[in-house]
Amino acid sequence: QSVLTQPPSASGTPGQRVTISCSGSRSNIGSNTVNWYQQLPGTAPKLLIYSNNQRPSGVPDRFSGSKSGTSASLAISGLQSEDEADYYCAAWDDSLNGLVFGGGTKLTVL
Amino acid sequence: EVQLVESGGGLVKPGGSLRLSCAASGFTFSSFTMNWVRQAPGKGLEWVASVSSSSTSIYYADSLKGRFTISRDNAKNSLYLQMNSLRAEDTAVYYCARARQKGTFDYWGQGTLVTVPS
Repeated sequence: QSVLTQPPSASGTPGQRVTISCSGSRSNIGSNTVNWYQQLPGTAPKLLIYSNNQRPSGVPDRFSGSKSGTSASLAISGLQSEDEADYYCAAWDDSLNGLVFGGGTKLTVL
Repeated sequence: EVQLVESGGGLVKPGGSLRLSCAASGFTFSSFTMNWVRQAPGKGLEWVASVSSSSTSIYYADSLKGRFTISRDNAKNSLYLQMNSLRAEDTAVYYCARARQKGTFDYWGQGTLVTVPS
């Protein structure tokens, strides 16, 4: 059971906008920034969004992040087939003194 | 180009030990906090441990304290994970990852598989 809660799956058709939620608590999301990672099948995770809503160089602006209180969300607009992957949220937890991940959301492009 | 290359994975008997290594290149290794993250087959990501740039701050996932030890050698641009008393539930791909800031991992290695049969 993960400290951060994500829906196990999400789906959309090409061109659609999808959102993935991430729920935590005061000690993690409520106190620290949220990062999102994308993991394509058979590959290592890749940093997708950092500091709640910042995109690393090379990440398309179709990907955006937001945070409010103890929850965060990842939005993907203009969905493409290559977006089919697992997505994980993460945040430092001040009570555990460690990084906590969400359980991951498998995104399917129909 | 930043590169992180893990090695040392393999098949180990329950109760055995293994030492993973991560060779870093393409950046000033001694300036960054480094981490180990693992992923059991078909499961999600689990943070394992973190060591600060000068090894003054070290953190572990609660579930692993006492069995795993993270360390680094800045002169060799290398990160290590000593794993003792291994159990079947430690079977996973182990990734090393660089932290650009606390909890933000901007570069990952390709991972090394550790298998502990039940």
